[in-house]
Amino acid sequence: AQKVTQAQTEISVVEKEDVTLDCVYETRDTTYYLFWYKQPPSGELVFLIRRNSFDEQNEISGRYSWNFQKSTSSFNFTITASQVVDSAVYFCALLFSGGYNKLIFGAGTRLAVHP
Amino acid sequence: NAGVTQTPKFRILKIGQSMTLQCAQDMNHNYMYWYRQDPGMGLKLIYYSVGAGITDKGEVPNGYNVSRSTTEDFPLRLELAAPSQTSVYFCASSYEGGPWHEQFFGPGTRLTVL
Repeated sequence: AQKVTQAQTEISVVEKEDVTLDCVYETRDTTYYLFWYKQPPSGELVFLIRRNSFDEQNEISGRYSWNFQKSTSSFNFTITASQVVDSAVYFCALLFSGGYNKLIFGAGTRLAVHP
Repeated sequence: NAGVTQTPKFRILKIGQSMTLQCAQDMNHNYMYWYRQDPGMGLKLIYYSVGAGITDKGEVPNGYNVSRSTTEDFPLRLELAAPSQTSVYFCASSYEGGPWHEQFFGPGTRLTVL
């Protein structure tokens, strides 16, 4: 079965703190893709990153970084020096090969960054 | 390109009423999807389509119907609306042949059933 778990329901930090959002996934497939989406208060879904199962390189994009570890089935997301504009709900999602690109979403983590 | 468009943005229905949520994409994607997002939850797949004339159920299809007569359009029909269908509905599309399998999402339709 395919499953994505985001155990942190809500996180509250003060501006400039670093914060890590956890994502653990389950799949029996060897080829799969992992995604992070941001949902700001306005409600739309904003694509942040994708990673395929054969690429375990960590990635950094500005203040955002992602740590993909197949050994622990985790794809964690870190925001460095958080800002108020980072306040949103963040979703981790899994897409498995042969599944017509269907996405399986975690329940999301609500991040509140306070000034 | 407009991407994925959805109408309406908001709607309030009474119990037992019916409505159609519209979704259109102009990227010539063959895969299209309908998800619902309940408060505090992630998105769950209602129905999907892999091409015109081909649709299949997702995780939570009960109470909904879909059709796909063209590549561009993928309407979602609610028959006999119930309070449990109060949710935000997202339509998405994806290109079958792309290496990255990215889904492009519409802005969502917020539906309240009273």
